[in-house]
Amino acid sequence: ETGVTQSPTHLIKTRGQQVTLRCSSQSGHNTVSWYQQALGQGPQFIFQYYREEENGRGNFPPRFSGLQFPNYSSELNVNALELDDSALYLCASSLASGHQETQYFGPGTRLLVL
Amino acid sequence: AQSVTQLGSHVSVSEGALVLLRCNYSSSVPPYLFWYVQYPNQGLQLLLKYTSAATLVKGINGFEAEFKKSETSFHLTKPSAHMSDAAEYFCAVIGGNNNDMRFGAGTRLTVKP
Repeated sequence: ETGVTQSPTHLIKTRGQQVTLRCSSQSGHNTVSWYQQALGQGPQFIFQYYREEENGRGNFPPRFSGLQFPNYSSELNVNALELDDSALYLCASSLASGHQETQYFGPGTRLLVL
Repeated sequence: AQSVTQLGSHVSVSEGALVLLRCNYSSSVPPYLFWYVQYPNQGLQLLLKYTSAATLVKGINGFEAEFKKSETSFHLTKPSAHMSDAAEYFCAVIGGNNNDMRFGAGTRLTVKP
């Protein structure tokens, strides 16, 4: 069974640019959640996708957007990058969208914005 | 809205000693509570979760946590620390209509030989 994978592992961008991060769910999982983890802090919920529809969103501006594909893989897009967007971006998949569902995390993509 | 507070950003114990990592929650609805562990340069791994069944929850690697509604706490314990337990530990809560899982700031556990 393949776990959650994310690409790329590291990325460097400059302020104002756009970035796309990718996540492949664990086999059989139809729900993907994205988190931002700034250095020295806990992860913060960005949004969740369930069967290709957004299913909850945290306190992030609209320049953070996402997609989920029919195979349940997912993308996180960030437009107009700011310095404060530098963080580890974590993707987590789960069997379903219920609160009791265990979320399985990928290793993350570390984004540095210069 | 729900939230968790982890008391102590850094805890240091000797190998073989009791591990106690503190977490208090705030939630207007019955919460689901989780403890995750994060090793350097890795994602988060679930240790255990409380989903309103038994109040004492046993997890992986010998960890357990007790849900105490009267104290709004969900502290993580392990009777005997091992060197491999050194990592960052996060408490998290989810509840209500949103799927917003709220994490604490984390507690870094150091295990001394």
